[in-house]
Amino acid sequence: AQTVTQSQPEMSVQEAETVTLSCTYDTSESDYYLFWYKQPPSRQMILVIRQEAYKQQNATENRFSVNFQKAAKSFSLKISDSQLGDAAMYFCAYRSAFSGGSNYKLTFGKGTLLTVNP
Amino acid sequence: GAVVSQHPSRVICKSGTSVKIECRSLDFQATTMFWYRQFPKKSLMLMATSNEGSKATYEQGVEKDKFLINHASLTLSTLTVTSAHPEDSSFYICSAMEENTEAFFGQGTRLTVV
Repeated sequence: AQTVTQSQPEMSVQEAETVTLSCTYDTSESDYYLFWYKQPPSRQMILVIRQEAYKQQNATENRFSVNFQKAAKSFSLKISDSQLGDAAMYFCAYRSAFSGGSNYKLTFGKGTLLTVNP
Repeated sequence: GAVVSQHPSRVICKSGTSVKIECRSLDFQATTMFWYRQFPKKSLMLMATSNEGSKATYEQGVEKDKFLINHASLTLSTLTVTSAHPEDSSFYICSAMEENTEAFFGQGTRLTVV
């Protein structure tokens, strides 16, 4: 079974600074997807960024980028120019690339609570 | 992104009664839907996976007779909490996806059993 580990229960960053959230995972599969989701106080889950394991290039979405190290099974999220609206719980998640029903389920880490200080 | 609507957003029910939560995909056909439970300041715990027209697959430890899941159409799945008790109070979240695309989440339902 796959596992996802987020070792930082809480992180804080000053507004406009950069912060990196850590995530490691364990799997025996060679092809899979990795995600970072944001859950603000409204509790709506929002997809921040997605990485496909077969792609070597790190995904980026505006101020959000990842450092995907497949051999090390590491998938960290970097938030640049942090904004007050970035304050939220961030979840790292894994999904198999195999097709069908239960293969599509997401395995979540325990989350990192990010505080942005003005 | 695609829109998933979950209803109601909050519900309070009396102990022993049943409550139904709906999850709708508004602009796509959801071949697979998921139901999660989330405790305060905790991660999402998958309860079950449902595919349209077939029985849901429940995760280990989830009582299928207590948490009834129906995925009768490609746009609607329901979770019914039967004979609810205070320990069933929680935040329930659904997500939906088309075949092998990414999952989109509903807004969640806060259930309080009194």
